[in-house]
Amino acid sequence: AQSVSQHNHHVILSEAASLELGCNYSYGGTVNLFWYVQYPGQHLQLLLKYFSGDPLVKGIKGFEAEFIKSKFSFNLRKPSVQWSDTAEYFCAVNARAGKSTFGDGTTLTVKP
Amino acid sequence: SAVISQKPSRDICQRGTSLTIQCQVDSQVTMMFWYRQQPGQSLTLIATANQGSEATYESGFVIDKFPISRPNLTFSTLTVSNLSPEDSSIYLCSVEGTRADTQYFGPGTRLTVL
Repeated sequence: AQSVSQHNHHVILSEAASLELGCNYSYGGTVNLFWYVQYPGQHLQLLLKYFSGDPLVKGIKGFEAEFIKSKFSFNLRKPSVQWSDTAEYFCAVNARAGKSTFGDGTTLTVKP
Repeated sequence: SAVISQKPSRDICQRGTSLTIQCQVDSQVTMMFWYRQQPGQSLTLIATANQGSEATYESGFVIDKFPISRPNLTFSTLTVSNLSPEDSSIYLCSVEGTRADTQYFGPGTRLTVL
């Protein structure tokens, strides 16, 4: 069975700081990888996804993630966070159409 | 992308009762999914609902507790039966995007059981 591990449960940063959220997955086959974001009071939104090709993927709002197959990792990065990035971030793996396995989530708090 | 709405957005229910959650999609989709997000935890898939067939439940979830209907390609309901405080969660409907590996999520239904 596939599983997803997010290393940080709660991250607190000041504005303009750089962000990296760790995500590791366990699954032996081909997977599709996602990062979702849930802003306070809003529903889950897709931030970025990796299916194949260039392992460095760019998403919305300046976020990017790098797929490192040898490390089973898909870490999320942003060079300079803003207060509006305060949200919960979920890494997800999908090896069966539509059936994603989610990590426990990381709460990001950005201080103005 | 798909636009998904859920009703109700939140509810408070008494122990032993049931709650039915509705999910409406603005386009026809083959597969619809129901997830649960317990407080402080991640999303867990409850079941997959295909139109015209029985829902497929994940390990740990059973039809008697979570009956699902899928009468057409744009609508589904999830009932949480015989409620207990442990059922207090956010329940989310999700659909597959045009690309089979993409999912869209509804706004969720926040259920509190007293």
